[in-house]
Amino acid sequence: ELKVEQNPLFLSMQEGKNYTIYCNYSTTSDRLYWYRQDPGKSLESLFVLLSNGAVKQEGRLMASLDTKARLSTLHITAAVHDLSATYFCAVDIPGGTASKLTFGTGTRLQVTL
Amino acid sequence: GAGVSQSPSNKVTEKGKDVELRCDPISGHTALYWYRQSLGQGLEFLIYFQGNSAPDKSGLPSDRFSAERTGGSVSTLTIQRTQQEDSAVYLCASSLVYNQPQHFGDGTRLSIL
Repeated sequence: ELKVEQNPLFLSMQEGKNYTIYCNYSTTSDRLYWYRQDPGKSLESLFVLLSNGAVKQEGRLMASLDTKARLSTLHITAAVHDLSATYFCAVDIPGGTASKLTFGTGTRLQVTL
Repeated sequence: GAGVSQSPSNKVTEKGKDVELRCDPISGHTALYWYRQSLGQGLEFLIYFQGNSAPDKSGLPSDRFSAERTGGSVSTLTIQRTQQEDSAVYLCASSLVYNQPQHFGDGTRLSIL
C-alpha cells in the first residue's frame, strides 16, 4: 500500500523567511503533484513532476523530485502572507489508465506579518 | 463551463437516506475522478473513469457507494443508506489526459445527521 507522508504538518513562518516542506512516499513512482488549498476552497494545482530530478518554479515556490530517494520538496522563498494555505503532495502509481492519486496529510502554512 | 462544477454545494440528510452527488467535468476532459476529504482520513481516492475503459472502483469504501458516468461527461456518485461516517466533502476532478494535473471542483459538503 502506498503511503505518502508530509512534514511538517503545520508551519508558522514570518514574511521574508525561507522554508521547505518535505514529501516522502513509500513506493516507486515518477509522478508527483503539488496542490494548494485555501480554507473552505477546493484544490488548486501547483506543480506536476514527472521525472527524476524534475524541478519546477513558480514565483516564490519551487518543487523538486528525487525518485531514488522517494522524496519531493516544496521550497518557499521569502514568504509572503498570500502563501498562507494548506499544501498537499500527491503521488500516482503508474499502471492504470488514469492517475489515481494518493495524497499526503497536508502542510498547513501560516505566514505571519 | 470553465471549471469542474459540482452540485449541490451542501447537503444535509438524515442517517439511512440515499444521496446523489453530481459532477460536471471540464469539457473535453476524458478522465473524471471522485475523492473524499474528511478530518479523520484526509483526502482519499474513491473512483475514476477514463474514456470508455472500465472504471477503477478500488477506493469505494463499501457497497453502499456507487458511481456512474453517462455519455462520457457528467458523473453521479450515489451513497445508499447513509451513515454518519459518510460525512465529508466529496470532491470531483477531471483531467485532459493521463499525467496531466487534475482540476478539482469546489466539492459537495455532505452532513449526515
